[in-house]
Amino acid sequence: DTEVTQTPKHLVMGMTNKKSLKCEQHMGHRAMYWYKQKAKKPPELMFVYSYEKLSINESVPSRFSPECPNSSLLNLHLHALQPEDSALYLCASSQDPDRGRSGNQPQHFGDGTRLSIL
Amino acid sequence: QKEVEQNSGPLSVPEGAIASLNCTYSDRGSQSFFWYRQYSGKSPELIMFIYSNGDKEDGRFTAQLNKASQYVSLLIRDSQPSDSATYLCAVNESGGAQKLVFGQGTRLTINP
Repeated sequence: DTEVTQTPKHLVMGMTNKKSLKCEQHMGHRAMYWYKQKAKKPPELMFVYSYEKLSINESVPSRFSPECPNSSLLNLHLHALQPEDSALYLCASSQDPDRGRSGNQPQHFGDGTRLSIL
Repeated sequence: QKEVEQNSGPLSVPEGAIASLNCTYSDRGSQSFFWYRQYSGKSPELIMFIYSNGDKEDGRFTAQLNKASQYVSLLIRDSQPSDSATYLCAVNESGGAQKLVFGQGTRLTINP
């Protein structure tokens, strides 16, 4: 178990459904991330939130919509997904992005949501 | 294109030996270097990070960084079967963005 909690652990949805993935951390981290990971590939960055503001969108299709309601929560809203969107979706968090150091603080990953699109 | 290169393996090491995992990166401005372990079907788990040239030790793990050669490595001493996993090298992208560039991962198998 990790300190970044993701729900649900598994999700099966049709291409016309709307669902949301949730991520929560209580480590006081101020940067949160969504990644997509396909089998035998490294994680691919989708979105970064820094101080609850979207700072990076890696040209992700609009059928994925992120939301950061507060510093502890991160959601990913899904709508009209395609079969190729089936993957492991990972949330991660890291400490204060501006804490006096060039470079990055370590990112800590949740257990992920395994998503299957029918 | 900023790249992180790892040998995809599989790397087979006998139990009790030292496993050596290597990673090179192209972005000279990178400042932060991370090693993640990922078991099959699980999420990546942070096992080491290093910011300065030289060695950093934590238990059976040692991370080594050489910024001049743009090279980072992970040594696992007294390898155990439970160390069998894919090891991902990740390097921060310079320029201030909170982005990591991941290598493709090295699959490590420890043989009893």
